[in-house]
Amino acid sequence: EDKVVQSPLSLVVHEGDTVTLNCSYEVTNFRSLLWYKQEKKAPTFLFMLTSSGIEKKSGRLSSILDKKELFSILNITATQTGDSAVYLCAVVRGSARQLTFGSGTQLTVLP
Amino acid sequence: EAGVTQFPSHSVIEKGQTVTLRCDPISGHDNLYWYRRVMGKEIKFLLHFVKESKQDESGMPNNRFLAERTGGTYSTLKVQPAELEDSGVYFCASSAGASPLHFGNGTRLTVT
Repeated sequence: EDKVVQSPLSLVVHEGDTVTLNCSYEVTNFRSLLWYKQEKKAPTFLFMLTSSGIEKKSGRLSSILDKKELFSILNITATQTGDSAVYLCAVVRGSARQLTFGSGTQLTVLP
Repeated sequence: EAGVTQFPSHSVIEKGQTVTLRCDPISGHDNLYWYRRVMGKEIKFLLHFVKESKQDESGMPNNRFLAERTGGTYSTLKVQPAELEDSGVYFCASSAGASPLHFGNGTRLTVT
């Protein structure tokens, strides 16, 4: 059965810390891996990764995919309280492009 | 650009009643998806429309769930009759081609 596993499930840090969130996967017919940030309502898109070893970067956030070892990491440097959210990893699979989600990592950034 | 909108934001119904959730995708997005998150579990795929056609409904839990997308614009998801285990947050998402999915705020369904 396809699965996406995120770790840690929960993380509490202080402003200014750097965090690394992990996502490993075992899916058939892999197409791409997505990261989303979910605060109170809709998950909002962060990154889409399709190729190994190419880092995607947006401000203090960056992400990379390893298709050989079947994992991705999301890094956040100099965290701020506004980074507090659930970070979701999802894998796109198959021709229908449906997503298989991990359970998410709850990040709390304390002032 | 208006995002994906869902209505209602929260619905509380009794077991055995019927509920209809609505999703308006981003204009021009042919792909429309329904996902669901039940308490303590991951977000799970329900089904996928391409325009008005059901492309994949392998995630629909049973025949109490009926999704439609008449005219290829908005979509509805009807649960009839609702059971306690149907409680959760129902997300709608849309995309154009192979672009990433854009999600709505979700409808929180509580069945008592």
